Amino acid sequence: DQQVKQNSPSLSVQEGRISILNCDYTNSMFDYFLWYKKYPAEGPTFLISISSIKDKNEDGRFTVFLNKSAKHLSLHIVPSQPGDSAVYFCAASGGSGGGADGLTFGKGTHLIIQP
Amino acid sequence: SQTIHQWPATLVQPVGSPLSLECTVEGTSNPNLYWYRQAAGRGLQLLFYSVGIGQISSEVPQNLSASRPQDRQFILSSKKLLLSDSGFYLCAWSLLRHTEAFFGQGTRLTVV
Repeated sequence: DQQVKQNSPSLSVQEGRISILNCDYTNSMFDYFLWYKKYPAEGPTFLISISSIKDKNEDGRFTVFLNKSAKHLSLHIVPSQPGDSAVYFCAASGGSGGGADGLTFGKGTHLIIQP
Repeated sequence: SQTIHQWPATLVQPVGSPLSLECTVEGTSNPNLYWYRQAAGRGLQLLFYSVGIGQISSEVPQNLSASRPQDRQFILSSKKLLLSDSGFYLCAWSLLRHTEAFFGQGTRLTVV
């Protein structure tokens, strides 16, 4: 059973517009959420995170929103740039109960920014 | 600053052969270490994590094993590879709970 779900395998957005990537989770024990960006044949790069005590976190062009009651988070990128084209992974921690708190990842959304 | 090294970048191995992937972290002490795998068309799956030397926890039953012989060294091994072991393997580290994990560049393993 997938605990972190990214239901859109791909998303196409015009350059300069807003990109919105969505993520849902089922485990109510998750209390820390992250977004990673990944290019082919490379490791994921951390983008932004949010703790469950907040509902919004902003860093430059990237904003993450968390709706705990809906168990939903989203990543907004504005304005979208060609270099943003990549696979974006949503991840969560806190559900395992272990001290190391390995991350649980979604399957990713391939964002394509069109000129 | 902290860096993570993972090698080799690509590997083609025959079925039944052994495997050893190595990961080292520099610039930090006592990190949590992780091995993830990304199979084709799937997300990243946590395979193993370690909170200290000799301490290994496995998340899923599998044909692989992990070891941590030194504080900043994490090794992924197999005695006999299966075709289903093919994938993109990623090593990662983090310091504390509620902090981000930092990933290596990954190893593309193809078992033929």
